[in-house]
Amino acid sequence: NAGVTQTPKFRVLKTGQSMTLLCAQDMNHEYMYWYRQDPGMGLRLIHYSVGEGTTAKGEVPDGYNVSRLKKQNFLLGLESAAPSQTSVYFCASSSAGTTGAETQYFGPGTRLLVL
Amino acid sequence: GQNIDQPTEMTATEGAIVQINCTYQTSGFNGLFWYQQHAGEAPTFLSYNVLDGLEEKGRFSSFLSRSKGYSYLLLKELQMKDSASYLCAVRGRYGQNFVFGPGTRLSVLP
Repeated sequence: NAGVTQTPKFRVLKTGQSMTLLCAQDMNHEYMYWYRQDPGMGLRLIHYSVGEGTTAKGEVPDGYNVSRLKKQNFLLGLESAAPSQTSVYFCASSSAGTTGAETQYFGPGTRLLVL
Repeated sequence: GQNIDQPTEMTATEGAIVQINCTYQTSGFNGLFWYQQHAGEAPTFLSYNVLDGLEEKGRFSSFLSRSKGYSYLLLKELQMKDSASYLCAVRGRYGQNFVFGPGTRLSVLP
């Protein structure tokens, strides 16, 4: 099992450009998440999905859009990149479960620099 | 609102014991998680608490007091490879949302 994978690993964008980050998981998890991580601020939730075809806003959704057309994939889009979106982006997934101990599994991250 | 607080940095010596504290105020509570994150890598799961008390896993233990909104992660017999950031995260009432603290960067010195 590959677990959670993310592409690309690193990207440089100019202000105003658009891009899509792809997250894929092979654990048949229902829930998927996109976070950004900035120095001193921890992980902040951008958007999440509780199932195929459904998405919801997290703590910092502005400037981002997401889609989950297939259960195993969760896409994060930046329509018009801004320097404030320079960050490390992590995707995560977890099972719905019933025990309560269902943790999140993280991808390796995408480092994005917006000039 | 939701707020999670952790010390920013800690330093300890190889072989020693260190306790990393986490305090939280959240609108709902459905479990507290600790993650380890080495520099440049993804967070990985360490422990989970949903009831008050201590959970032990080898060199790592985690404690929770729901009434005080307080948890700590205890690392024993520190090794150099334990140098990392430790993230405290609270899962909200409905189970889908995790709120993370800012993380504590631990440096283990020889």
